[in-house]
Amino acid sequence: KAGVTQTPRYLIKTRGQQVTLSCSPISGHRSVSWYQQTPGQGLQFLFEYFSETQRNKGNFPGRFSGRQFSNSRSEMNVSTLELGDSALYLCASSLGAVTAAYGYTFGSGTRLTVV
Amino acid sequence: QQQVKQSPQSLIVQKGGISIINCAYENTAFDYFPWYQQFPGKGPALLIAIRPDVSEKKEGRFTISFNKSAKQFSLHIMDSQPGDSATYFCAASRARYSGGGADGLTFGKGTHLIIQP
Repeated sequence: KAGVTQTPRYLIKTRGQQVTLSCSPISGHRSVSWYQQTPGQGLQFLFEYFSETQRNKGNFPGRFSGRQFSNSRSEMNVSTLELGDSALYLCASSLGAVTAAYGYTFGSGTRLTVV
Repeated sequence: QQQVKQSPQSLIVQKGGISIINCAYENTAFDYFPWYQQFPGKGPALLIAIRPDVSEKKEGRFTISFNKSAKQFSLHIMDSQPGDSATYFCAASRARYSGGGADGLTFGKGTHLIIQP
């Protein structure tokens, strides 16, 4: 059974540009969440999608957005990139919407470097 | 505001010893407490999780102890092995999110564990 697939694995962008990251969840998983991991702030929750609707959102500026498609695949977009957006972006999928019952499976992440 | 505090930041344990990592939370709405293990270049992987209705949960060499009144929980790794060397994160969330989706996890800052052979 394939795990959570994130593409690309590595990305270098220039300040001011925008970027789109992709996540394919485990087959049958309907919930997809995104996290940002940095050495200083650690792992921080960005947002969660279930059945193509954003259900939950962390404390990030509006430059960070996402969407989920009917096949549960998700994309995350960051506009007007800043140097501080350099991070490992992790996608996590879950079978259902109840956290404790199903848990999360994380992908290996996309390493974004903003120069 | 850091809602989940994790200690120590780093830990060195001899092979066969017990590794202990502690976490404290502030938000009393949290009722799901997982631990994740992360190796370099990989995403976090769920190790073990606990709900507040039990004070201890054991899975193999990994045990979570939970103290609801103190708002603290800890991970014990028995008979620690070099393969356990990794970064460990505690986390907390609400088991059910009223918005209908899955609640976001609030993570501790992580503990870098080294098991010396």
